[in-house]
Amino acid sequence: AQSVSQHNHHVILSEAASLELGCNYSYGGTVNLFWYVQYPGQHLQLLLKYFSGDPLVKGIKGFEAEFIKSKFSFNLRKPSVQWSDTAEYFCAVRGNAGNMLTFGGGTRLMVKP
Amino acid sequence: GAGVSQSPSNKVTEKGKDVELRCDPISGHTALYWYRQSLGQGLEFLIYFQGNSAPDKSGLPSDRFSAERTGGSVSTLTIQRTQQEDSAVYLCASSFEAHRAYEQYFGPGTRLTVT
Repeated sequence: AQSVSQHNHHVILSEAASLELGCNYSYGGTVNLFWYVQYPGQHLQLLLKYFSGDPLVKGIKGFEAEFIKSKFSFNLRKPSVQWSDTAEYFCAVRGNAGNMLTFGGGTRLMVKP
Repeated sequence: GAGVSQSPSNKVTEKGKDVELRCDPISGHTALYWYRQSLGQGLEFLIYFQGNSAPDKSGLPSDRFSAERTGGSVSTLTIQRTQQEDSAVYLCASSFEAHRAYEQYFGPGTRLTVT
């Protein structure tokens, strides 16, 4: 069975700090990888996705993620965070076994103004 | 355009009662998914529908949970004889097809509280 681990449960940063959120998955086959964000009081929204090709994926709002197959990782990065990035971030994987998403436990990011 | 909608937004029920949660997918989306978001368990897949194919029920936690999708559109998730551990936010998502190429769009969820 596939699984996803997000090692940072809570992250607190000051504005303009750089962000990196870790995501590791366990699945031996071809995967699609996703980062979703849930802003306070809002529903889950897609930040970015990796299907194939260039392992460095750029998403909305200045976020990017790098797929490193050898490390089974898909870390999310942003060079300079803003207060409006305060949210919960979820990494997800979809393998060949089905079309459902398997989510990590989420990381709560708080950005102090 | 309209996104995925869910109703009710909040539901409080007594232990042992049955509840029905509704999901309206994005128009034209043939695939529909139910997930559950709870403390301690995170986001878990429950069930998905693709067109007229038999649903994938592999994520349903017990036989108290069932779902149907009428006319390939609206879906209802039913929980019978609710238990306190059923308290969670139930999320619905839809995609153009149940294919890896298509992203899933999530609704706002129904927060279920079992007292």
